[in-house]
Amino acid sequence: DIQMTQSPSSLSASVGDRVTITCRASRDIRSDLGWYQQRPGKAPKRLISAASTLQSGVPSRFSGRGSGTEFTLTITSLQPEDFATYYCLQHQSYPLTFGGGTKVEI
Amino acid sequence: QVQLVESGGGVVQPGRSLRLSCAASGFTFSRYGMHWVRRAPGKGLEWVAVIWYDGTEEYYADSVEGRFIISRDNSKNMVYLQMDSLRAEDTAVYYCLRGFDYWGQGTLVTVSS
Repeated sequence: DIQMTQSPSSLSASVGDRVTITCRASRDIRSDLGWYQQRPGKAPKRLISAASTLQSGVPSRFSGRGSGTEFTLTITSLQPEDFATYYCLQHQSYPLTFGGGTKVEI
Repeated sequence: QVQLVESGGGVVQPGRSLRLSCAASGFTFSRYGMHWVRRAPGKGLEWVAVIWYDGTEEYYADSVEGRFIISRDNSKNMVYLQMDSLRAEDTAVYYCLRGFDYWGQGTLVTVSS
C-alpha cells in the first residue's frame, strides 16, 4: 500500500499569511493526487486535482505543485473561510490513501 | 447539478449488520466509478471502497475487506455499502463520492452496545 505522510498535522496562522502543506508518498504516484478541504460539519471539497489543477470556482490563492513523491498545497493570503482541515489523496493505486490531515487554525 | 444523498446510518450493536445507500442524480451515473469514504470521530479521512462504473470491479480498504461489500444498481442510480460484522472502530460518518470530485453530506454510523 502507498503511505501518504502529510505535514504539519496542524498549524496556527493569521489572516493574510502564506501557508504551505506537504504530502510525501512512499513511492512514485506521478501526478495522481488531489487536495481536499473540510470545514467543520461539512463534506470535504476538492480544491486541486492532478496535483496542480485548480478546480472550477476555487479561489486562485490556492495552488498545488509536485509530482512523483513530493507535493505541496499553498494558500497565499489566508482568508477567514480557509480555516479548515486539508487532506491529500493519492489515487495512483488501490487501496487509495489519504494523508493524515492538516488543521489550519487561527 | 450533481447530488449524492446517503441514507441508512444509525446505531447498531457490535457484530451486527447495516446497509448504507447513496442516491445519485444530476449526472450520467453509469459512467462513473463510485466510492465510499469515512471519517471516524477525531480522526482523518479513510477511503473504504470503490466500484467500477459498470460494476465489474471492486476494491476495499484492508480494514473492511471481507466484511463490507459495495454494489450498485445503474437502473436506479444507487450505490450501496453492505457492512457486516461491525466493530466499534467502524463508527464514522460515511460519505458517498462520485469519482474523486463530488461528495455527499454523509450518514453517521455508530457501533455501540
